[in-house]
Amino acid sequence: ILNVEQSPQSLHVQEGDSTNFTCGFPSSNFYALHWYRWETAKSPEALFVMTLNGDEKKKGRISATLNTKEGYSYLYIKGSQPEDSATYLCALTAYGGSQGNLIFGKGTKLSVKP
Amino acid sequence: DSGVTQTPKHLITATGQRVTLRCSPRSGDLSVYWYQQSLDQGLQFLIQYYNGEERAKGNILERFSAQQFPDLHSELNLSSLELGDSALYFCASSEGKGHYGYTFGSGTRLTVV
Repeated sequence: ILNVEQSPQSLHVQEGDSTNFTCGFPSSNFYALHWYRWETAKSPEALFVMTLNGDEKKKGRISATLNTKEGYSYLYIKGSQPEDSATYLCALTAYGGSQGNLIFGKGTKLSVKP
Repeated sequence: DSGVTQTPKHLITATGQRVTLRCSPRSGDLSVYWYQQSLDQGLQFLIQYYNGEERAKGNILERFSAQQFPDLHSELNLSSLELGDSALYFCASSEGKGHYGYTFGSGTRLTVV
């Protein structure tokens, strides 16, 4: 059974702080790693998808890195703003019988205080 | 609006009952996925359909079933409902087999009383 581990479970930061979260996954049968942003009462929204070891993606103040050999990805938020408050989900696509379905971690809930 | 439409948004029903959740995928998407989000749990994969055929099954209970129709919309049927089935049910869709991610609907909040 594939397992995606995210840490920390929750995080409280002040506006302007930079922060990062971790996603751990089994490195065997790796196909792609996804990050989603999920605001309360809305649907999860795709941030990044990464497939290659060493991949780095950036969107505004948010960036992500990928290490497929050791099985982890980091999500960074620079200069957090209150509107960044959300749950950040990591998900794995693996080769094999999963047929492309994503295996999600439990998420990191970020609260940014003004 | 993500383009994935789920109805109803909220549903309250009694134990033992049966409900149907509906999902219309984004235009052009052939795959539909169903996920369950329970309290303190991550998004749990239930089932995937691709162009009308079941493609993958996850942690879906025998009391639950789904199908995808020729117009590509999908329905998730939940029967003999228990209190523990109360959850947020998400539908997502993708153009192909989903390896590069999906688009989510806004979910159906099911409360079993």
